[in-house]
Amino acid sequence: EPEVTQTPSHQVTQMGQEVILRCVPISNHLYFYWYRQILGQKVEFLVSFYNNEISEKSEIFDDQFSVERPDGSNFTLKIRSTKLEDSAMYFCASSEAHKEAFFGQGTRLTVV
Amino acid sequence: GDSVTQMEGPVTLSEEAFLTINCTYTATGYPSLFWYVQYPGEGLQLLLKATKADDKGSNKGFEATYRKETTSFHLEKGSVQVSDSAVYFCALSRFMNSGYSTLTFGKGTMLLVSP
Repeated sequence: EPEVTQTPSHQVTQMGQEVILRCVPISNHLYFYWYRQILGQKVEFLVSFYNNEISEKSEIFDDQFSVERPDGSNFTLKIRSTKLEDSAMYFCASSEAHKEAFFGQGTRLTVV
Repeated sequence: GDSVTQMEGPVTLSEEAFLTINCTYTATGYPSLFWYVQYPGEGLQLLLKATKADDKGSNKGFEATYRKETTSFHLEKGSVQVSDSAVYFCALSRFMNSGYSTLTFGKGTMLLVSP
């Protein structure tokens, strides 16, 4: 069964450093998403991406965040200068048009 | 804006007990409703869905009915197993004309089933 894969599963970084979280969406999906879950809180929408541009972003997705589809298979989330409050589980998801999203296993980001 | 409220956990049950996890939502229009499950150490998996009022979603013995009059989508299972122990997330989705969607999640309810 096709699945969304994320790497790494756990990333530890120092405050102020840049991190890139990587995702390989399901191959025939055209819509890509990032969500995050701070420990003990709700899963929150960050951004959706289609046709090489952002479709929608939430208030959380400020100038520190960016997304990119660098090639035909990867979808990345970059945090330019990490803060302690960026520590969370980050989920990548993908979907077909007007269909439900399928999620990856998540990357746990710990900022120290 | 949209919001989803689900019962606080953990819910602790013995094997073969009946399960209900309550979920209510606030939204304008007609969102689609979902239950996602997260098993320990794994990602979010779609458990079931309903796209319009009175639809019943079902999978693996779990069921939920989209009740517009009570804005609810309660998850039920007649007889839980130890392997059902996980965190369950209720969510609503808006599908945009261009084809993408945004999910609004509840806080999640942990289910612990003992033998």
